[in-house]
Amino acid sequence: TQLLEQSPQFLSIQEGENLTVYCNSSSVFSSLQWYRQEPGEGPVLLVTVVTGGEVKKLKRLTFQFGDARKDSSLHITAAQPGDTGLYLCAGGYQKVTFGTGTKLQVIP
Amino acid sequence: GAVVSQHPSRVICKSGTSVKIECRSLDFQATTMFWYRQFPKQSLMLMATSNEGSKATYEQGVEKDKFLINHASLTLSTLTVTSAHPEDSSFYICSASSSLAGRVSYNSPLHFGNGTRLTVT
Repeated sequence: TQLLEQSPQFLSIQEGENLTVYCNSSSVFSSLQWYRQEPGEGPVLLVTVVTGGEVKKLKRLTFQFGDARKDSSLHITAAQPGDTGLYLCAGGYQKVTFGTGTKLQVIP
Repeated sequence: GAVVSQHPSRVICKSGTSVKIECRSLDFQATTMFWYRQFPKQSLMLMATSNEGSKATYEQGVEKDKFLINHASLTLSTLTVTSAHPEDSSFYICSASSSLAGRVSYNSPLHFGNGTRLTVT
């Protein structure tokens, strides 16, 4: 079983601050996805990273895939209350495995 | 974009009864669907993988006789929680892929339903 550990588990910050969420594994993944989930809803795909060392930007969100394709990070610049949610990394080819999750709260 | 509809969004049932949850792909054919369970403030845990026209593959520790999965068509998979008990109360989410064997890629990402909140009293 491929495990994905996320850190931190919980994060509460003030609006305007920056933050980074990490997703680590001992296994190599062909691709990793990042999702955001709000309470009572299904996860929404934010990005897919495929190439080792790849960096993708989505407005204030920057995603990076590790060179060895075992880890990934999500950096949010100038966080806003609308960024509040559960952030999940996920990987796998035939069967997607989800990370342990990072609960982010951005306080106005 | 691709849409997956899950129904019902919320259900309350009495202990000992069975509940059926439907997952439909609205604008694409889903060769593979996945069922997840999520406890409060936790991540998604894969329960089973269902392929159209064949038996579902259950993850270790998931009782196949309790969580019946039927994937009778390319647009519909159902999860039936049989003889539900309070400990079965959870958030159940389905996802669907249009690719063979559910291989996730740029061209065939997973599409998620909005989940079903099951409460067993």
